[in-house]
Amino acid sequence: AQSVTQLGSHVSVSEGALVLLRCNYSSSVPPYLFWYVQYPNQGLQLLLKYTSAATLVKGINGFEAEFKKSETSFHLTKPSAHMRDAAEYFCAVKMGSGAGSYQLTFGKGTKLSVIP
Amino acid sequence: NAGVTQTPKFRVLKTGQSMTLLCAQDMNHEYMYWYRQDPGMGLRLIHYSVGEGTTAKGEVPDGYNVSRLKKQNFLLGLESAAPSQTSVYFCASSSTSGGPYNEQFFGPGTRLTVL
Repeated sequence: AQSVTQLGSHVSVSEGALVLLRCNYSSSVPPYLFWYVQYPNQGLQLLLKYTSAATLVKGINGFEAEFKKSETSFHLTKPSAHMRDAAEYFCAVKMGSGAGSYQLTFGKGTKLSVIP
Repeated sequence: NAGVTQTPKFRVLKTGQSMTLLCAQDMNHEYMYWYRQDPGMGLRLIHYSVGEGTTAKGEVPDGYNVSRLKKQNFLLGLESAAPSQTSVYFCASSSTSGGPYNEQFFGPGTRLTVL
């Protein structure tokens, strides 16, 4: 079964500093990878997704992620953190093929705090 | 478009009571999902539906039942609530176009407390 591991349940950065949120996947088949963001008391919103068209994926709000097959990683980065980036971030993967390919398996989440 | 809506937003139940959570989407999506979110656990899939009249179990289905009588609605039922079902419940929907790359759209959540 496919799964994702997010390293660090809580990350704190200063405003203007680099944001790096880590995600590793376990998969024996090409993965379908996603990053979602959850702002306080809200539902989840898609940040970006890996579609195999390019290894560096750009998303909304200045975030990007790089797919590294050799490291089985899909880390999320942003060059300069803003206060509004404070939220919980989830890495997710979809299972294989057929109807099951539409099920998302989520990591446990990383809560990002931004210090003024 | 309202997207995905959930009713109610908050609910407090006593152990043994029953209730139904309603999810509605206006995007004509074929697939719908129910997740629960617990601190430090991420989101876990309870049940899902690939079309009207069909449902399937997810990762944590015990204690829940679902129905999808209309394409736009997906109901989650708790027949006899237990404190372990205290959680935030999210509904999501997705289309089949784009295959496995398509995104799921989430509702705002229902916060359920079982005393």
